[in-house]
Amino acid sequence: QKEVEQDPGPLSVPEGAIVSLNCTYSNSAFQYFMWYRQYSRKGPELLMYTYSSGNKEDGRFTAQVDKSSKYISLFIRDSQPSDSATYLCAREGDKLIFGTGTRLQVFP
Amino acid sequence: EAQVTQNPRYLITVTGKKLTVTCSQNMNHEYMSWYRQDPGLGLRQIYYSMNVEVTDKGDVPEGYKVSRKEKRNFPLILESPSPNQTSLYFCASSFRTGVGDEQYFGPGTRLTVT
Repeated sequence: QKEVEQDPGPLSVPEGAIVSLNCTYSNSAFQYFMWYRQYSRKGPELLMYTYSSGNKEDGRFTAQVDKSSKYISLFIRDSQPSDSATYLCAREGDKLIFGTGTRLQVFP
Repeated sequence: EAQVTQNPRYLITVTGKKLTVTCSQNMNHEYMSWYRQDPGLGLRQIYYSMNVEVTDKGDVPEGYKVSRKEKRNFPLILESPSPNQTSLYFCASSFRTGVGDEQYFGPGTRLTVT
């Protein structure tokens, strides 16, 4: 079992939709989680990080961790075509362990 | 501008021909690492360095070498490349390796080994 699992998609949504991206993790010892965004032909860049359980909000983006179910979620409100990218979740601890990424396409 | 640079961006080579991919950061970061990204497997760490002259294996180190003689540079060396090393490679750096430290990624090097 991979430490961090993520549905690869692709996920295709119309502009303005609410997007939900999800990951599961296996090791409950780690409590820091990150979301990276990767545009085509670019390196990943940090979008948000969150600690333990609860929500963290940054503009249209909300990161959520549910420790009881070992679930990490990223919600995007009012999605825009510029949000089209691959979204990678990662758990942090001794090192970063990434999920495989979910490709998101937002069409006008 | 704070950045991580990699060269070359694209490389096609043949089996067995030694190559080096350079990585440089201008942020005075202590921690640097190399990843490869493959479809269905995601980003996997090859090697990392916590400071000058300190390097260690990541999850997939076989067939790769690294060195860290200067703080800003962290080259990736493939002594005898093989087709299974065809991949997209990323160099990354961060101030430390502590929790919450953002890793800054380079633009990637697409390597094809025939």
